Amino acid sequence: SQTIHQWPATLVQPVGSPLSLECTVEGTSNPNLYWYRQAAGRGLQLLFYSVGIGQISSEVPQNLSASRPQDRQFILSSKKLLLSDSGFYLCAWMDGNTEAFFGQGTRLTVV
Amino acid sequence: RKEVEQDPGPFNVPEGATVAFNCTYSNSASQSFFWYRQDCRKEPKLLMSVYSSGNEDGRFTAQLNRASQYISLLIRDSKLSDSATYLCVALTGGYQKVTFGTGTKLQVIP
Repeated sequence: SQTIHQWPATLVQPVGSPLSLECTVEGTSNPNLYWYRQAAGRGLQLLFYSVGIGQISSEVPQNLSASRPQDRQFILSSKKLLLSDSGFYLCAWMDGNTEAFFGQGTRLTVV
Repeated sequence: RKEVEQDPGPFNVPEGATVAFNCTYSNSASQSFFWYRQDCRKEPKLLMSVYSSGNEDGRFTAQLNRASQYISLLIRDSKLSDSATYLCVALTGGYQKVTFGTGTKLQVIP
């Protein structure tokens, strides 16, 4: 069966520090992968999606970047975090048009 | 304009009530639609898909109106356990882009 792993679960980082969140998928090949952010009391904002290795689509201009170095690995990064980067980050994968499966999320607090 | 829009609520309804949520989408190229449920501080999980012919799963009914570009979710006989945020989702671009609405919060009251 397919599983998705996302880590860490929680993270507290100072302003100006770098960020790296990792997401991996098991049990499937060539999945579509997604990064979302959910700010407190707000909906899910699509940040990036990827349909293959090295293929990244960015939805909004921001302080973040994404990379897909391997088929089942999706990384969200920042060189210098801002206070406004705080939020709940969710990785998801989708195989075809059936269902999007989410990781358990990373709660990032920038202080 | 957001691609997928929902009334954020909250909807406060008594147990046993029927409640309906609507969601509009702006991209006419959107191909598939879903409703997700998100409990507080948890990841979203699929509630049901939405088909043009309408579909029902127990107390839940979803409908799609392509002409008016909206989808709906009806919950009958509300339970306390239905309290959550309901997110509508649109797929576009050959099922590559998955866009969520901001969610509608439901609180079922005893």
